[in-house]
Amino acid sequence: EIVLTQSPGTLSLSPGERATLSCRASQSVSSSYLAWYQQKPGQAPRLLIYGASSRATGIPDRFSGSGSGTEFTLTISSLQPDDFATYYCQQYNSYWYTFGQGTTLEIK
Amino acid sequence: EVQLVESGGGLVQPGGSLRLSCAASGFTFSSYSMNWVRQAPGKGLEWVSYISSSSSTIYYADSVKGRFTISRDNAKNSLYLQMNSLRAEDTAVYYCAGSSGGCNWFDPWGQGTLVTVSS
Repeated sequence: EIVLTQSPGTLSLSPGERATLSCRASQSVSSSYLAWYQQKPGQAPRLLIYGASSRATGIPDRFSGSGSGTEFTLTISSLQPDDFATYYCQQYNSYWYTFGQGTTLEIK
Repeated sequence: EVQLVESGGGLVQPGGSLRLSCAASGFTFSSYSMNWVRQAPGKGLEWVSYISSSSSTIYYADSVKGRFTISRDNAKNSLYLQMNSLRAEDTAVYYCAGSSGGCNWFDPWGQGTLVTVSS
């Protein structure tokens, strides 16, 4: 089973700042199989990024994904008030899906 | 409008059973593989089970293998999760989530249904 470790656990930033969220895999992950989700309290997760770097339909271009192998990054270029939420990375490998433990982005 | 609506959650005693349903609309359900993903209170996301579009391929997380059964009825645009031998650690919001074609990410998602296992 591939373990995904997200860092930091909590990130405190102000609107307008740049956010960089990390997702590290315990072994190499195909970029095609790495996704990012946003979840707000009381809501279902929403797909942001798939294939490590492709934005899902309707996702603003301030969200971008990058990385390969065991290191992946979600970047939010200029934080908007609506972006403060919890973010999860997710991978698929050998009939198994795993999620990272999440990074909570909070307003500073 | 693409929509997934879960139902069937509730309070059940340890060792009991529950059947969750997920009704799909607004997209070609029979072309999507489907999943159940759960989230314990205050915790992160955990994938539970996968079923391919034709039901020919099914996977389970080790934590539920042998106790949970996933199924679908494409004629009714519906997904199911039969949960037996429930434990306190199965307490969670259960989401159904789709995967288009051969994709390995989850979109769309339902709003979730809460399952509480307690005496």
